[in-house]
Amino acid sequence: EIVLTQSPGTLSLSPGERATLSCRASQSVTSSSLAWYLQKPGQSPRLLIYGASSRATGIPDRFSGSGSGTDFTLTISRLEPEDFAVYYCQQFGSSNTFGQGTKLEIK
Amino acid sequence: EVQLVESGGGLVKPGGSLRLSCAASGFTFSNAWMSWVRQAPGKGLEWVGRIKSKTDGGTTDYAAPVKGRFTISRDDSKNTLYLQMDSLKSEDTAVYYCSTDSCALGGVCYWGQGTQVTVSS
Repeated sequence: EIVLTQSPGTLSLSPGERATLSCRASQSVTSSSLAWYLQKPGQSPRLLIYGASSRATGIPDRFSGSGSGTDFTLTISRLEPEDFAVYYCQQFGSSNTFGQGTKLEIK
Repeated sequence: EVQLVESGGGLVKPGGSLRLSCAASGFTFSNAWMSWVRQAPGKGLEWVGRIKSKTDGGTTDYAAPVKGRFTISRDDSKNTLYLQMDSLKSEDTAVYYCSTDSCALGGVCYWGQGTQVTVSS
């Protein structure tokens, strides 16, 4: 099973700042099978990025994904108030796995 | 409008069983690989397992913590996904979501609102 480790666990930033979230895999992941989600309290996860770098439908261009192999990054260029939430990376494979999440909180 | 609506959650004693259902509408359910994902209170997302489309063999895959205890099935004539949970443990307490399985690949990506399962004596 591929283990995904996200860092940091909590990120404290202000609106307007840039956020960089990391997802590291225990073994190489095909870029086409790496996704990022956002989840707000009491809501289902919402897909942001698929295939490591493609934005899902309706996702603003301030969200971008990059990386390959074992290291992947989600970048939010300028934080909006609605971006403060928990973010998860996920890999698709014979057994899917999620990272443990990064909580993005208002500083 | 696409909908995934889970039902069947509730309170069950350790060692008991429960069957969850997920009714799908608004997309071609029979073509979709489907998953169950759970979230324990205050914790992150955990993939439970998947069932492939009949076209792709209809086979299932499970996460290690539930293998041998949980069974995923589907009824394409009813556009419904199922999760049969046996030998339940307190650590199975979670909100259970059904979703399409290929979100990461750029396929159709839909999630239900979840149903609460509580395992407690």
